[in-house]
Amino acid sequence: ILNVEQSPQSLHVQEGDSTNFTCSFPSSNFYALHWYRWETAKSPEALFVMTLNGDEKKKGRISATLNTKEGYSYLYIKGSQPEDSATYLCALLYNFNKFYFGSGTKLNVKP
Amino acid sequence: DSGVTQTPKHLITATGQRVTLRCSPRSGDLSVYWYQQSLDQGLQFLIQYYNGEERAKGNILERFSAQQFPDLHSELNLSSLELGDSALYFCASSVVSGNTEAFFGQGTRLTVV
Repeated sequence: ILNVEQSPQSLHVQEGDSTNFTCSFPSSNFYALHWYRWETAKSPEALFVMTLNGDEKKKGRISATLNTKEGYSYLYIKGSQPEDSATYLCALLYNFNKFYFGSGTKLNVKP
Repeated sequence: DSGVTQTPKHLITATGQRVTLRCSPRSGDLSVYWYQQSLDQGLQFLIQYYNGEERAKGNILERFSAQQFPDLHSELNLSSLELGDSALYFCASSVVSGNTEAFFGQGTRLTVV
């Protein structure tokens, strides 16, 4: 079993704050990293798929970076809005097959 | 709407019974993944099918099995159900395999009583 760690577990910020969280993973045999946004009572929604060391992806106010050599990815949210409140999950894919999920970072953005 | 359809949305059944959960992937997606989310656990990968063939196996119990049909829909069969099998079961699909975005269905809530 591979250990995928996400930190912090939860985060409370004010509307307009920028924030970031981390996904850490074993770097050997890495194949791909997925970031998901998961709102309560809904299903996970894909944000990014990252495969290359140094990858940077952006979607609106959300961006992510990947460092496969040291085994981490950062997710950034610029100018958080209440609608960004959700759990952000990372999932690692190793050796072309099994996915390993982190436990998520729960973000709460207060108006 | 992700385009992935799971049925039923809710299922209540007794211990020892067998149920079948169904997933229709997005049009054009060849890969189907099954996940389990139990009450106090995160998402656990169960199994993946690609174009009708089993591709990868995760933490799937021997009492559980799955298949993907020629029309690419998939079924997850859970047998000899136990109370601990109560969970939210998600299906996701992607165009090919793990390096493309996966789209999740709304899940099937299974309650074993």
